[in-house]
Amino acid sequence: SQQGEEDPQALSIQEGENATMNCSYKTSINNLQWYRQNSGRGLVHLILIRSNEREKHSGRLRVTLDTSKKSSSLLITASRAADTASYFCATDEDNYGQNFVFGPGTRLSVLP
Amino acid sequence: EAGVTQSPTHLIKTRGQQATLRCSPISGHTSVYWYQQALGLGLQFLLWYDEGEERNRGNFPPRFSGRQFPNYSSELNVNALELEDSALYLCASSLEAGLYTEAFFGQGTRLTVV
Repeated sequence: SQQGEEDPQALSIQEGENATMNCSYKTSINNLQWYRQNSGRGLVHLILIRSNEREKHSGRLRVTLDTSKKSSSLLITASRAADTASYFCATDEDNYGQNFVFGPGTRLSVLP
Repeated sequence: EAGVTQSPTHLIKTRGQQATLRCSPISGHTSVYWYQQALGLGLQFLLWYDEGEERNRGNFPPRFSGRQFPNYSSELNVNALELEDSALYLCASSLEAGLYTEAFFGQGTRLTVV
């Protein structure tokens, strides 16, 4: 089964609004990463948050991690039409497997 | 600095043929990962190579194989192509195989099997 599960599956907001996407996972992790994908193209790495971190910021992005709830959230503030994309969370397995496990993603549409 | 590059961008094959996809990692990266993203689905882990060796393999049949060359570039081979192999194949690289490494992705090869 998928390790990371994003929620919601699809989200539509107006430009300027904030967008929040959530990710839940099942087993213990060492780190969690968020990626963006535009229209079936390659993934763009957004943020990596380690298991001993609770929050990280990068520009308009804020990521939180709650290891007790096995969940993470990605907040995009003051959204723009260019933020329209699919967003994925990826976790690593708690061993040397190093195969990042992706959820099905959240499709974000930012309407002008 | 050049990112992860994949070739070809698009590939059309007929059922039963073989496909070869190529990936060049970011300079200095020794780990290469392959993923399959079928239409409407999430990314499925295929293979992980590090220092020229296969380190891990996803839940795919043996007709999916690959290798990593001494310069750390990699090939993914898919034999006896089936229609359901049509997908975007993404390659990623990371600096090393470790617990906190970030993976960087290429733009992908879109394989269409007809």
